[in-house]
Amino acid sequence: DTEVTQTPKHLVMGMTNKKSLKCEQHMGHRAMYWYKQKAKKPPELMFVYSYEKLSINESVPSRFSPECPNSSLLNLHLHALQPEDSALYLCASSQEMTANTEAFFGQGTRLTVV
Amino acid sequence: SQKIEQNSEALNIQEGKTATLTCNYTNYSPAYLQWYRQDPGRGPVFLLLIRENEKEKRKERLKVTFDTTLKQSLFHITASQPADSATYLCALDENGGFKTIFGAGTRLFVKA
Repeated sequence: DTEVTQTPKHLVMGMTNKKSLKCEQHMGHRAMYWYKQKAKKPPELMFVYSYEKLSINESVPSRFSPECPNSSLLNLHLHALQPEDSALYLCASSQEMTANTEAFFGQGTRLTVV
Repeated sequence: SQKIEQNSEALNIQEGKTATLTCNYTNYSPAYLQWYRQDPGRGPVFLLLIRENEKEKRKERLKVTFDTTLKQSLFHITASQPADSATYLCALDENGGFKTIFGAGTRLFVKA
C-alpha cells in the first residue's frame, strides 16, 4: 500500500466553524507533513512531524492546529478560519524527515472558507 | 533563503517531441533536487531525485540533469505523449536537508 489517504476531499466551512482534516498512511513512514497550496502557487510547508513529534512549524497561525495521534495518522484541526485560508491542503509522508527521500502525497482536501 | 525559479509560461509541444523544463535556484546548491508531476486538483507525484554529485539521472522516458555551476536542473521527457500533460514541480532541500521547498511549476501541454 503506497497511498496517503486524505479525508474529506472537499470541505466548505464558515468562519466560526471547527473542522478537522484527516490523513492516513500505512507505509511505515516516520515523517508526515501538511502543505497548503493556492492556485498556480507551489505547495507551502506548514508542519512536519517526525516520529510523532512536531519538528517544524512554519510560523503557521494558531487557528491551524496539527495533531499526530499515532505513526499512521495526522490531523489538522481548523478553527475560526478566514476566507484567505481557502486552498488545497495536502498531506504527505516520507520514510524519514530528510529531503533525500521521495515524499508521497495524498489527493488533498479542497477547503473553502465562507 | 533559497528561491526556486521555474518558467511560469506554459510549454506547448507536439506529441513525439522532447519536452525540456528548467529549474533554477538562486542561493546555495542543494544536496538533493527532486521533480514531481502534479495534475489539476491532485497531490504531486514523485518522479526523480538527483544528488549534487550526480550529473544525470534517467528513468524510462525521463531524464534529469543537475549543473551546480549554473545552479540549474533540466528535466526532459522524450517521445512526449498527451498523457504527459501536467504541471511539473522542481523541489530541493533547505534547512540542512530537513525541509523540502517547491517551485511553482511549469505547465506542459502535449498536443496530439
